[in-house]
Amino acid sequence: EPEVTQTPSHQVTQMGQEVILRCVPISNHLYFYWYRQILGQKVEFLVSFYNNEISEKSEIFDDQFSVERPDGSNFTLKIRSTKLEDSAMYFCASRAGRSSGANVLTFGAGSRLTVL
Amino acid sequence: AQKVTQAQTEISVVEKEDVTLDCVYETRDTTYYLFWYKQPPSGELVFLIRRNSFDEQNEISGRYSWNFQKSTSSFNFTITASQVVDSAVYFCALSVTALIFGKGTTLSVSS
Repeated sequence: EPEVTQTPSHQVTQMGQEVILRCVPISNHLYFYWYRQILGQKVEFLVSFYNNEISEKSEIFDDQFSVERPDGSNFTLKIRSTKLEDSAMYFCASRAGRSSGANVLTFGAGSRLTVL
Repeated sequence: AQKVTQAQTEISVVEKEDVTLDCVYETRDTTYYLFWYKQPPSGELVFLIRRNSFDEQNEISGRYSWNFQKSTSSFNFTITASQVVDSAVYFCALSVTALIFGKGTTLSVSS
């Protein structure tokens, strides 16, 4: 069964450092997402990406964050100058199809970011 | 704006008990989709079910069943004869564009 793969599974970084989280979505999917889950809390939407541009973003997704699809397969989330409160599990997801609400998102296993 | 409320933070049951997880949603859109995801202790998010706003038929899949009622904006999830392997966090979610999750209900099933 096709899956979304994320690397690294766990990253530890120092406050103020830049972090790049990588995702390989399912190959025929067109829509890509990043979500965040702070430990023990709910899964929060960060950003959606379609046709090489951001289609929607939440209040959380401020100038500290950026996304990119550099080579047609990877989908990356960059966090500039990490803060302690950025410590969380970051989930990548992808979906096929044009109907924005209908299609099921397939999630990756997550990348745990720990900021010290 | 869309919102999903899962009022039950934690539920503990003994194996073989039935358990219902509540979900109430808010949206002004007439076309929307509702989902349930399971997050086991390993951490991944596992899709369970999707319903669209025009289909209020209840659904049963094995020990799982879902009750969608537009009149009360609820999409409740029942596990019949619970098992220890059902222990997980269960998230209800609403999608108009982006998928928005509730805070989740932690279900603990003891033997």
